[in-house]
Amino acid sequence: QQQVKQSPQSLIVQKGGISIINCAYENTAFDYFPWYQQFPGKGPALLIAIRPDVSEKKEGRFTISFNKSAKQFSLHIMDSQPGDSATYFCAASMVNSGYSTLTFGKGTMLLVSP
Amino acid sequence: DTAVSQTPKYLVTQMGNDKSIKCEQNLGHDTMYWYKQDSKKFLKIMFSYNNKELIINETVPNRFSPKSPDKAHLNLHINSLELGDSAVYFCASSPGGWKTEAFFGQGTRLTVV
Repeated sequence: QQQVKQSPQSLIVQKGGISIINCAYENTAFDYFPWYQQFPGKGPALLIAIRPDVSEKKEGRFTISFNKSAKQFSLHIMDSQPGDSATYFCAASMVNSGYSTLTFGKGTMLLVSP
Repeated sequence: DTAVSQTPKYLVTQMGNDKSIKCEQNLGHDTMYWYKQDSKKFLKIMFSYNNKELIINETVPNRFSPKSPDKAHLNLHINSLELGDSAVYFCASSPGGWKTEAFFGQGTRLTVV
């Protein structure tokens, strides 16, 4: 059972455009929702994260929108740049007995064309 | 200073061999993990250690055995390697508790031939 569903699988956006990646989760006990960015040959790196007590978080060109009732969250990349071309993973976790583990979506390969 | 380092970066070996991947973190984190990333880039948790104790062991064949000699190290030993074990293996660490931000190593690309 896939607990975090991510779409689209791949995305092509023109330079300067808005990239939007969506995720949906099933477990209402999740309380932490990060997005990771992975470049080829590198490990995933935390990009931005949100907790369910807020509906939006913005850091620079990156924004997470969170809809608790719909159990959905999305990443918006404004003014997309070729350097943003990477694979993006949404994830979710919950603290259970003092520890937690990230459950990842399947990833979205973003290509920003010049 | 590398926060989470794992060695080797590349590992090519024959079926049936035994190999180890080493991981070290200098962040002072309590929790360490091993993730497997398959050819479709899907990231799946394999093991989670908290203060040297095994917390999570997902459905991983018992040919995979993690070892944590201390809080800063989590090594992965794989016995009797199979073709299907070919993947990229990532070590990660996090502060633990409610602080779930995970820091990943650069990965070890394992190819079994």
